[in-house]
Amino acid sequence: AAGVIQSPRHLIKEKRETATLKCYPIPRHDTVYWYQQGPGQDPQFLISFYEKMQSDKGSIPDRFSAQQFSDYHSELNMSSLELGDSALYFCASSPERERGNEQFFGPGTRLTVL
Amino acid sequence: AQTVTQSQPEMSVQEAETVTLSCTYDTSESDYYLFWYKQPPSRQMILVIRQEAYKQQNATENRFSVNFQKAAKSFSLKISDSQLGDAAMYFCAQRGGTSYGKLTFGQGTILTVHP
Repeated sequence: AAGVIQSPRHLIKEKRETATLKCYPIPRHDTVYWYQQGPGQDPQFLISFYEKMQSDKGSIPDRFSAQQFSDYHSELNMSSLELGDSALYFCASSPERERGNEQFFGPGTRLTVL
Repeated sequence: AQTVTQSQPEMSVQEAETVTLSCTYDTSESDYYLFWYKQPPSRQMILVIRQEAYKQQNATENRFSVNFQKAAKSFSLKISDSQLGDAAMYFCAQRGGTSYGKLTFGQGTILTVHP
């Protein structure tokens, strides 16, 4: 079965650089969620999209932006990177037509900011 | 606002025995969903079990079952016949009943399984 694809899997950046994380949801899943998991912490919701429109927003810094494209893939753009942005970034997708459906998580992108 | 609390940072169990992980939550919504996710060392998030709040019957998935106490806002996970592969971080999570609902996670419980 197809799973959520995230790229890259690992990313190393310097402070003040920019990074773009990509997420390809499971086919026919129209909703994408982004979560950030710092070292030893639980995942924190950043932002979500349904049918290419932002559906909810969490604790996402103003330096970050995201969008969902016509093919439903999503990108998380991070600028002016800080040391504290080092974390595991998960993308999850779900078919939103049924409420409460499971969110299927990708393997994550591990971002290291030096 | 939704909050999820896991009061056990670490738990351990002997192989083949039973262990229960605790979780409490708070929400103002009447319609919501509860989940247990497993995160092994690979860091992949794997759904273990889910519970719809409107269902009184506790969910069961093979060796995994929950004790859902809606009035007490408690949602514990019982793992029976524990296996070495069950060793992982376990997160309790809640999602509101509205569409596009984000997951709110607890702090996690590290489960160690001793052979």
